[in-house]
This record gives sequence, structure tokens and C-alpha cells, in this order.
Amino acid sequence: AQSVTQPDIHITVSEGASLELRCNYSYGATPYLFWYVQSPGQGLQLLLKYFSGDTLVQGIKGFEAEFKRSQSSFNLRKPSVHWSDAAEYFCAVLLNTNAGKSTFGDGTTLTVKP
Amino acid sequence: DGGITQSPKYLFRKEGQNVTLSCEQNLNHDAMYWYRQDPGQGLRLIYYSQIVNDFQKGDIAEGYSVSREKKESFPLTVTSAQKNPTAFYLCASSSVRVANTGELFFGEGSRLTVL
Repeated sequence: AQSVTQPDIHITVSEGASLELRCNYSYGATPYLFWYVQSPGQGLQLLLKYFSGDTLVQGIKGFEAEFKRSQSSFNLRKPSVHWSDAAEYFCAVLLNTNAGKSTFGDGTTLTVKP
Repeated sequence: DGGITQSPKYLFRKEGQNVTLSCEQNLNHDAMYWYRQDPGQGLRLIYYSQIVNDFQKGDIAEGYSVSREKKESFPLTVTSAQKNPTAFYLCASSSVRVANTGELFFGEGSRLTVL
């Protein structure tokens, strides 16, 4: 079965520092890949997605992610973190859009120090 | 503005009671989903529906029921058979049209607490 692993449960960075959140997936084929962000008590919002083409994708709020097929990874990055980026981040994979069922990682909570 | 509306935002239930969570979307999406979120466990799929009058069980369907009588609506009932219903429930929708990339659009969630 497909699975998604986010190795870091909690990450703390200083405001202005760079950020990388890790995501690995386990599946034979290349799935569709997503990063979502969730503020406390809210729903999830899509940051970016990858389904084909350029392996470096740009998203909203200055985030980007790089798909590496050889490592089955889709890590999220941001060059300079802002205090408003504090939230929970979820990586998700979707094998087949016809089936429509995304599988989510357990999430990474980001804390931003002033 | 188009979006997904979940209600109520907070709900308290006594043990042994059924409760129904509402989810309405005006995005004209065919597919709708219910996820359960517990701390440290990510999102787990309860039920999903890709077309009106049809739905399938997800990974944790026991103790839950749904209906899809209208394209816009996908209510979730948490029954008394659900052993641990206290959780945050998220409704989502997506388009299943050609060239769709499977992006999910989420409501703001409903927090259910069993007293």
C-alpha cells in the first residue's frame, strides 16, 4: 500500500532562517504529490503540487518543493521563514485521480522563534 | 465566493447519541470526502463519494454513515457505535474531470467532543 512518511514531527526555526520539511513516499509508480498547510483549528490549504514536468515546483507564500524520483522524496523548502508560517504541514500523495483518495503523512508542526 | 462550509464548528455529544455533521460545497465538484484528524496521526479517510447516490468506505468507516443525495451535500453521521468519536472532522471536495490533478479543497472543520 502507498504510504507517506514525514520524519520530523516538530521543527523549530528562527524567523528569517531557511526551512526544509521532509517527505518520503513509498510506492512503485510516481504519484501526484502535494503539500498542504493547516493553521490551528482550521482546514487545510494547498501550498503546491507536482504531477509532471519540472521537478522544482513553486507554490504560494514563497514555498517551493523538489521532487526527487531516485529518493522518492518531495521536500518542502522556504528560503526565509516568517512568523506567520508557524503551522502544521502535511505531505500527501495521490496515486490515481480517478480513485481520488489521497494519503496523508502524519504532519510536521513548525514553530518560528522571534 | 466558492468553497466548502462545515457546520457546526463545535459539537458536544453525550455517549450513546448519534450526531450529524453537515458539509456543503458550491464548487461544482463531483467528489467529496470525510477525514478524521487526531493529534499526531494526520488525516484518515472515513468515507468518500465520487458521484451522487454513490459512496465508498475509507480506511476507518466503522461507526460512521454518510449519504449523497445532492451533489452539493455530503453529511456525516457519527453513530453510537463509534467507540472513540472525539476528534476533528474535515470535509473536502475535488474535481474528477479530465486533467484534474486531485487537489483537495477543505472546509474549516468540525470539532466533536463526547462528554
